[in-house]
Amino acid sequence: GAGVSQTPSNKVTEKGKYVELRCDPISGHTALYWYRQSLGQGPEFLIYFQGTGAADDSGLPNDRFFAVRPEGSVSTLKIQRTERGDSAVYLCASSLWGISENSPLHFGNGTRLTVT
Amino acid sequence: DAKTTQPNSMESNEEEPVHLPCNHSTISGTDYIHWYRQLPSQGPEYVIHGLTSNVNNRMASLAIAEDRKSSTLILHRATLRDAAVYYCILRGTNFGNEKLTFGTGTRLTIIP
Repeated sequence: GAGVSQTPSNKVTEKGKYVELRCDPISGHTALYWYRQSLGQGPEFLIYFQGTGAADDSGLPNDRFFAVRPEGSVSTLKIQRTERGDSAVYLCASSLWGISENSPLHFGNGTRLTVT
Repeated sequence: DAKTTQPNSMESNEEEPVHLPCNHSTISGTDYIHWYRQLPSQGPEYVIHGLTSNVNNRMASLAIAEDRKSSTLILHRATLRDAAVYYCILRGTNFGNEKLTFGTGTRLTIIP
């Protein structure tokens, strides 16, 4: 079956611009996660949705970052006034349930964001 | 978040077993031990998880120490496709505590 899909796979933008990154989770998965990964590091948690609501947004670095999941399926990560330090691979994952220990996360292959 | 400690890198010969260690001395009673791996240019992939008992699946085995302060991921017969970064992660089960917190993992190199 289809896995987690992230678009675009690559995005190059200029410093100061606004970007949107899209995540299509596995159908029926209620939980959705955003991570970002810098070179040589493990993925860093950003935000977690259970259904339509953000259950934990403690990882968002500042108010330039915002994410939505209006219908409990597709999610968009939005970054305003991009900075060169925002360059990273942004990973999305979904799981069938959020709090069950039997819900492994299924990751997409990420969007590589480069801010010039 | 409870933390884990893993070696930065390991090497193994192809077609031999690989034992990847993980220390988690501050694990709480409700934390599950999860392993994920990340192949080059891909997102992380779930491998296995367990609580107290040893676990086996088609990908690997997980051996958990009796005091739960350490665990070992076992790949029974390594192939070149197993070359990846392996992450050992503690995951809580309470609402708001179930996010995965990745460290830097162990980079496994398979020697042909």
